[in-house]
Amino acid sequence: KQEVTQIPAALSVPEGENLVLNCSFTDSAIYNLQWFRQDPGKGLTSLLLIQSSQREQTSGRLNASLDKSSGRSTLYIAASQPGDSATYLCAVSGNTPLVFGKGTRLSVIA
Amino acid sequence: GAVVSQHPSWVICKSGTSVKIECRSLDFQATTMFWYRQFPKQSLMLMATSNEGSKATYEQGVEKDKFLINHASLTLSTLTVTSAHPEDSSFYICSARDYLTGGANYGYTFGSGTRLTVV
Repeated sequence: KQEVTQIPAALSVPEGENLVLNCSFTDSAIYNLQWFRQDPGKGLTSLLLIQSSQREQTSGRLNASLDKSSGRSTLYIAASQPGDSATYLCAVSGNTPLVFGKGTRLSVIA
Repeated sequence: GAVVSQHPSWVICKSGTSVKIECRSLDFQATTMFWYRQFPKQSLMLMATSNEGSKATYEQGVEKDKFLINHASLTLSTLTVTSAHPEDSSFYICSARDYLTGGANYGYTFGSGTRLTVV
């Protein structure tokens, strides 16, 4: 059974810092991995999608890497801003529907 | 890109009544949609997989008679919470993937969620 773990559970940083969010999964037989952002009381916004054959994806200040063999992914956020404050969820897709981690709650302090 | 619309965004109902939540894929056909439930400060828990034209597949521990799912068309799935009780109060989110276009390599798109409060 696929299990997804995200570390840290919560993170508070001053504005402008670069930061890394970590995600690990137990079963490497995945199709792809997605990083989502969720604001309080809202749905999920897809940030980055990495196919199993890819190593990384970039969108603006966001960069996500994937090491499928070791079951790890990282989300790198450059020059963090208060507007980046949200919960970031990692999810993997395989033969079963998306399996989510519990998320990292990020607070960027101005 | 793929867009999923979910309505209503919030609903308050009396205990014992039923509530219907709609999930629509706006610009693609979704033979399969997914319903999740999220408790405060918790991650998403898959409740069921909605299959167009056939019965939904429920996850272990989810009461199929309480959470009725109908997927009558390629763009619409509905979740009905029957005889709602306060413990059913939660955030419900639907999801779909444009599988017909991209297959398993496409990512999932989520609706904006429905906040259900049963009083």
